[in-house]
Amino acid sequence: EDQVTQSPEALRLQEGESSSLNCSYTVSGLRGLFWYRQDPGKGPEFLFTLYSAGEEKEKERLKATLTKKESFLHITAPKPEDSATYLCAVQHTGGFKTIFGAGTRLFVKA
Amino acid sequence: DSGVTQTPKHLITATGQRVTLRCSPRSGDLSVYWYQQSLDQGLQFLIQYYNGEERAKGNILERFSAQQFPDLHSELNLSSLELGDSALYFCASSVAPQEGEKLFFGSGTQLSVL
Repeated sequence: EDQVTQSPEALRLQEGESSSLNCSYTVSGLRGLFWYRQDPGKGPEFLFTLYSAGEEKEKERLKATLTKKESFLHITAPKPEDSATYLCAVQHTGGFKTIFGAGTRLFVKA
Repeated sequence: DSGVTQTPKHLITATGQRVTLRCSPRSGDLSVYWYQQSLDQGLQFLIQYYNGEERAKGNILERFSAQQFPDLHSELNLSSLELGDSALYFCASSVAPQEGEKLFFGSGTQLSVL
């Protein structure tokens, strides 16, 4: 059964303090791994799709990387506006559903 | 704004009742997904439709049902409601269930069962 585990559950950073969020996954053939950002009371918003091990993608202060068993979301010099819940999700080959992890709640203090 | 519209935004009802949640996908998107999000369960996949047909099913209870209409809007029906059904229900859409297809989420319907 497909499984997505994110760590830590919550992360508190000072503004400018870089860190990484982890997403470990178990899937029978990876079709795609996704990162989403969710603000309180809103729906998740797409950030990245990664397809194969070794792939990296960047957007502003965020960089997502992928290995055969996990993905990392690196946050460089975060700002308070980066505070949100970051969700990791996977799709497996031959399937249509996207399975989400529980998320990491990020708090960035000025 | 994702382009996905969900109504109503809030719904308060009593145990045993039945409610209907509505979703209009982005223009041009053929695939609709329903998710349930609660504090202790995270975002749980319920069901997916593509161009009117059911494509994938998750942990959807028998008391819940959904459909996608010819105009591509979708409805999620929840019946015999229990306290534990209180949650945020999200609809998402995509062009098609293709490889690496990203989802666009609506702002959700907050259901409170009292």
